[in-house]
Amino acid sequence: GESVGLHLPTLSVQEGDNSIINCAYSNSASDYFIWYKQESGKGPQFIIDIRSNMDKRQGQRVTVLLNKTVKHLSLQIAATQPGDSAVYFCAEATGNQFYFGTGTSLTVIP
Amino acid sequence: DAGVTQSPTHLIKTRGQHVTLRCSPISGHKSVSWYQQVLGQGPQFIFQYYEKEERGRGNFPDRFSARQFPNYSSELNVNALLLGDSALYLCASSLVVGRTYEQYFGPGTRLTVT
Repeated sequence: GESVGLHLPTLSVQEGDNSIINCAYSNSASDYFIWYKQESGKGPQFIIDIRSNMDKRQGQRVTVLLNKTVKHLSLQIAATQPGDSAVYFCAEATGNQFYFGTGTSLTVIP
Repeated sequence: DAGVTQSPTHLIKTRGQHVTLRCSPISGHKSVSWYQQVLGQGPQFIFQYYEKEERGRGNFPDRFSARQFPNYSSELNVNALLLGDSALYLCASSLVVGRTYEQYFGPGTRLTVT
C-alpha cells in the first residue's frame, strides 16, 4: 500500500511567524500532490497542489516545495494567523486514488 | 453556490446493521469520491465514481459498496457494520476524473457503531 506520512504530529508557532509542515511519501510513481487544511468539524479544504514536474508552487501566503529525490513535500505558510490553526494533510495521487497522510496539527499562539 | 452536501450529519447504528450515506456534489461536478476518516488519522480512500461508473476502489471489504445516480449524487452503503466502521465518512466532488483535479469535500457524516 501507499505510505504518506508527516514528520511532526503537532506544531506550535507564534502569530506572524512562518510555519513549515513536512511530509514524506513513498511512491515514486505519484505525480500529483495536494495539501489540505481541516478545521474541527469540517471536511478537508484544498490549499494548494503541485505536479511532479514542478519543484515549487506559490499561492496566497502558502508555498509548496517538492523534492522528488528524497520524496519529500513541504508546506510553508507565511505570516501565520490564528485562523491557520487546523490539521494539515498532505496527499499523493496514484491513478485515480488519493492517499492521505496522518496529519499535522498546527496551533498558532497569539 | 452550495458546496458538497452530505446526509445525515450524524448516525448511530448497532453492530450487524446496514447504513446508507448520501452525497450531493457541487452543481456541474461529475465525479464523486468517498473517504473514511478514523479519529486522529487522515482520510482513507474508499471509492471514486465518474459518470455513474466506478473508477477507483480502495482497500476496503466487500461490505462497502456505492453507486452514483444520473444526477451525479451518490450513496455509500455499508453492510454488517462493525465497531471499527465508526468514523467520519467524507464525500468529495470534482469536475473531472483524473490525477490532477481539485476535490471539494463535504462536511462528512459521523457514523458511530455500538
